[in-house]
Amino acid sequence: KAGVTQTPRYLIKTRGQQVTLSCSPISGHRSVSWYQQTPGQGLQFLFEYFSETQRNKGNFPGRFSGRQFSNSRSEMNVSTLELGDSALYLCASSLEAGGPDTQYFGPGTRLTVL
Amino acid sequence: GIQVEQSPPDLILQEGANSTLRCNFSDSVNNLQWFHQNPWGQLINLFYIPSGTKQNGRLSATTVATERYSLLYISSSQTTDSGVYFCAVGYNNDMRFGAGTRLTVKP
Repeated sequence: KAGVTQTPRYLIKTRGQQVTLSCSPISGHRSVSWYQQTPGQGLQFLFEYFSETQRNKGNFPGRFSGRQFSNSRSEMNVSTLELGDSALYLCASSLEAGGPDTQYFGPGTRLTVL
Repeated sequence: GIQVEQSPPDLILQEGANSTLRCNFSDSVNNLQWFHQNPWGQLINLFYIPSGTKQNGRLSATTVATERYSLLYISSSQTTDSGVYFCAVGYNNDMRFGAGTRLTVKP
């Protein structure tokens, strides 16, 4: 079975632009979660989607949004990029949401905002 | 908001040694998970353990929810155990991570 894939792997943007990151979960997984990792703030939870619905959301401004499609693929969007948005963005998939199912992580998308 | 503290921040071990990592949290939580991030950045979910004890090979974890802490035990450590170990708690539809324990296992 293919693992979680994230595209693109690396991205460079400038302040004020917007960006869309994509995550394809493991086949059969219906839950996708997104995380941001920075040296200063560490790992932070962004949001979780299950069956095209956002179930949980972390403490991030409205510039961060996401969605999930009927095939469970998910995208996250960051609008009006700021320097502080430079980070590794990780997604993880699991069979179900919010429970004991193991989460499987993708390799991440490294976003640099100049 | 909830505080999640991990200790120690850094740990250096000789291969074969045992270790205990601790995660304290300041409020009641819905769930607790342990993760390992290897030196190449890949994150792996180790345990989902809101309470009780679980074991998986050389790793085991115990959460005492009433006392607001969780412990991760690593026995007979190997160099492949190196990396950063994070605990994360589910709280009010959010998830909060600790700052991690960086483990280095020397051959």
